[in-house]
Amino acid sequence: GAVVSQHPSWVICKSGTSVKIECRSLDFQATTMFWYRQFPKQSLMLMATSNEGSKATYEQGVEKDKFLINHASLTLSTLTVTSAHPEDSSFYICSAPRGAGTEAFFGQGTRLTVV
Amino acid sequence: GENVEQHPSTLSVQEGDSAVIKCTYSDSASNYFPWYKQELGKGPQLIIDIRSNVGEKKDQRIAVTLNKTAKHFSLHITETQPEDSAVYFCAASIGDSWGKLQFGAGTQVVVTP
Repeated sequence: GAVVSQHPSWVICKSGTSVKIECRSLDFQATTMFWYRQFPKQSLMLMATSNEGSKATYEQGVEKDKFLINHASLTLSTLTVTSAHPEDSSFYICSAPRGAGTEAFFGQGTRLTVV
Repeated sequence: GENVEQHPSTLSVQEGDSAVIKCTYSDSASNYFPWYKQELGKGPQLIIDIRSNVGEKKDQRIAVTLNKTAKHFSLHITETQPEDSAVYFCAASIGDSWGKLQFGAGTQVVVTP
């Protein structure tokens, strides 16, 4: 079964509103999680590294004020897309390694549509 | 910046034939190379991975080879079946962080009966 769970699996929101996406590690603790974005028919692009108890690390070109990341516990990271616009519509996927030097498990993804 | 190139972008094979997907990477510090299968609307599923201290790994019909000197790695699927149809992504760790990955562009594999 899934070891990393995302919620919701899909969401439609109005332009200008904010949307929160949750990523949970179900049977292990994850001090680090990763957030990716995937546009249709494209590859996954790393957005940021979520660090439990400290600030997230953002990749170049990703606006930290637009994509707020909170990793308040060892099993939960949240990504909030603030003031969403249609160009933010995408598939957002999180991943979490089970431990240091181990593979990362991916969530099932969240399809965000901004109308 | 560092990148991962993947070829081909699409691959059509007859059921029972083999499929080969190739990737190259540029980050010399990369030491972990996973392959993922992604079905429409779902997150990527790990199908096989290889570490930099290994040249080849096999799991039933799937095998991966790694040439660290040349910085390329390949996925081989033998005896393909229609359920192998999906998009396949190669990835390379960014530095030595296994969870932090740079992905190839993906290969749409279509297996026709």
